[in-house]
Amino acid sequence: DAGITQSPRHKVTETGTPVTLRCHQTENHRYMYWYRQDPGHGLRLIHYSYGVKDTDKGEVSDGYSVSRSKTEDFLLTLESATSSQTSVYFCAIRTLMNTEAFFGQGTRLTVV
Amino acid sequence: DAKTTQPPSMDCAEGRAANLPCNHSTISGNEYVYWYRQIHSQGPQYIIHGLKNNETNEMASLIITEDRKSSTLILPHATLRDTAVYYCIVRVTTDSWGKLQFGAGTQVVVTP
Repeated sequence: DAGITQSPRHKVTETGTPVTLRCHQTENHRYMYWYRQDPGHGLRLIHYSYGVKDTDKGEVSDGYSVSRSKTEDFLLTLESATSSQTSVYFCAIRTLMNTEAFFGQGTRLTVV
Repeated sequence: DAKTTQPPSMDCAEGRAANLPCNHSTISGNEYVYWYRQIHSQGPQYIIHGLKNNETNEMASLIITEDRKSSTLILPHATLRDTAVYYCIVRVTTDSWGKLQFGAGTQVVVTP
């Protein structure tokens, strides 16, 4: 599993509440990514990070923010969750030298 | 990044070779071809990648045509555990961020 842990694995939350998803890695990889996966849309990139405090937006970043204060943790925050953010969220990591990415097991988020 | 075209689905008999085609007619000279797969409810898994030469690893072989406009992923002896969605992705070698853009992929079903 390349040392990636996503938490929580499942969460149900109410519309309008803040939610934070955590991606933790034990491999000291430099690059980290957050994707969401929805039926009919495949995997879409939300945000990514090059290193501590170095992040950038992906193709579907509206409504999401991220933080990376430590190499091992990449947090995805939904400031005010909406039903359209119901999805499965995947974190991925990559080293500077390797070109392939390794994915976590995903977090299934339901906003009711 | 160049777009890819894959058949939406294909079946394969257990023990036989599975040949998964991918069209990437607009690929540039600095773009690699990557293959990932996603078994139901799990995170995507890296399989193999190549630039212009054929590649082989313990999981699969990648055959890239001489003009690089298409490629084929070969699973030499398909098993039931190879049932998954297979994604063909092209990515520029100079993209240090390593962002992956997933399409719809090919749903492969291996039958006994």
